[in-house]
Amino acid sequence: AQKVTQAQTEISVVEKEDVTLDCVYETRDTTYYLFWYKQPPSGELVFLIRRNSFDEQNEISGRYSWNFQKSTSSFNFTITASQVVDSAVYFCALSGNIYNFNKFYFGSGTKLNVKP
Amino acid sequence: DVKVTQSSRYLVKRTGEKVFLECVQDMDHENMFWYRQDPGLGLRLIYFSYDVKMKEKGDIPEGYSVSREKKERFSLILESASTNQTSMYLCASSLSLKGVEQYFGPGTRLTVT
Repeated sequence: AQKVTQAQTEISVVEKEDVTLDCVYETRDTTYYLFWYKQPPSGELVFLIRRNSFDEQNEISGRYSWNFQKSTSSFNFTITASQVVDSAVYFCALSGNIYNFNKFYFGSGTKLNVKP
Repeated sequence: DVKVTQSSRYLVKRTGEKVFLECVQDMDHENMFWYRQDPGLGLRLIYFSYDVKMKEKGDIPEGYSVSREKKERFSLILESASTNQTSMYLCASSLSLKGVEQYFGPGTRLTVT
């Protein structure tokens, strides 16, 4: 079965703090893909990053970084020096490699509140 | 710039009404999806379509149907709206390739009274 768990329902930080959003997944596929999306208050999900299961290199993009660890089935997202504009709901998602490979399995989301 | 548009941002309907939610994408994507989003439950797939006139049930298809007569347009139909269908509805599209991202519309917040 495919499943994504985001155990943190809501996180509140003060601006400039670092924050890590956790994502744990389950899959039977040997090849799979992981995604992070941001949903600001306007409602539209914005794609942030994709990672395939063969690439365990961590990635950094500005203040954002992602830590993919197959050994623990985790794909965590860190925001460094958070800003008020980072306030949003963040979703982690998984897609497989075989039947219905374009179907996404989403976590329940983590709401991040960044206070000035 | 990629674009997925939805016909309404907010919609209020009465119980028993037939409701149409429309989604249009301009990226020539093969796949289109309808999700509903509820607090604490994340996004749940209602239906998806991988080609014109083709559809597959997602995880929660009960009470919904879909129509895809043209590649760029995917409609979600609530045959007889009920209060438990009050939710945020999100449309998405993607290419039919492994590991590609989905592009989302702005969502329609539907309230059924």
